[in-house]
Amino acid sequence: GEQVEQLPSILRVQEGSSASINCSYEDSASNYFPWYKQEPGENPKLIIDIRSNMERKQIQELIVLLDKKAKRFSLHITDTQPGDSAMYFCAASQGGTGNYKYVFGAGTRLKVIA
Amino acid sequence: NAGVIQTPRHKVTGKGQEATLWCEPISGHSAVFWYRQTIVQGLEFLTYFRNQAPIDDSGMPKERFSAQMPNQSHSTLKIQSTQPQDSAVYLCASSLSSQNTLYFGAGTRLSVL
Repeated sequence: GEQVEQLPSILRVQEGSSASINCSYEDSASNYFPWYKQEPGENPKLIIDIRSNMERKQIQELIVLLDKKAKRFSLHITDTQPGDSAMYFCAASQGGTGNYKYVFGAGTRLKVIA
Repeated sequence: NAGVIQTPRHKVTGKGQEATLWCEPISGHSAVFWYRQTIVQGLEFLTYFRNQAPIDDSGMPKERFSAQMPNQSHSTLKIQSTQPQDSAVYLCASSLSSQNTLYFGAGTRLSVL
């Protein structure tokens, strides 16, 4: 089955700088890649996603890139703020067989230092 | 819209006891997922229903875990003979249809003593 690797596990950045989280997947049939943010004591919430027909998507300070050939995708947070401090999870999903389960990476704990 | 509702929020069981966790998905959502979250393993897929039918239970430990979705308004995850290693936060999520936003519940924190 699909496996998703996520790095780094811990990321500390200065306020105002950029933060990048990288994920890789194994199954070339995966075609949907969401990113979830989980704040302490809260449930994970979708922040941005990208489908396989795109290479880049941006929502405000969030940019996701997808390299289907390399089977890698990444999240970039520009101009980080203390409120960006949280756990971030990437995920991959494929539906070719009618099975749309999401496989998550292990998570990245982002700490933005003021 | 109350979101995905999970009960109980916390459950403490003794080793060997049974635990039943409940999930009420968002009304109208056709897909329901169960995940287990621990610090070590992260978000671990357990099982997934679509239109109440089980689609994939490849993440379920075979012997003691079972999940049901008897109607579109609730799903249960049952763990028999709980063990300390079952201690985790169990998250239920639902989505409107395939490859749509997953909405997670607040989770049930299971502690097995």
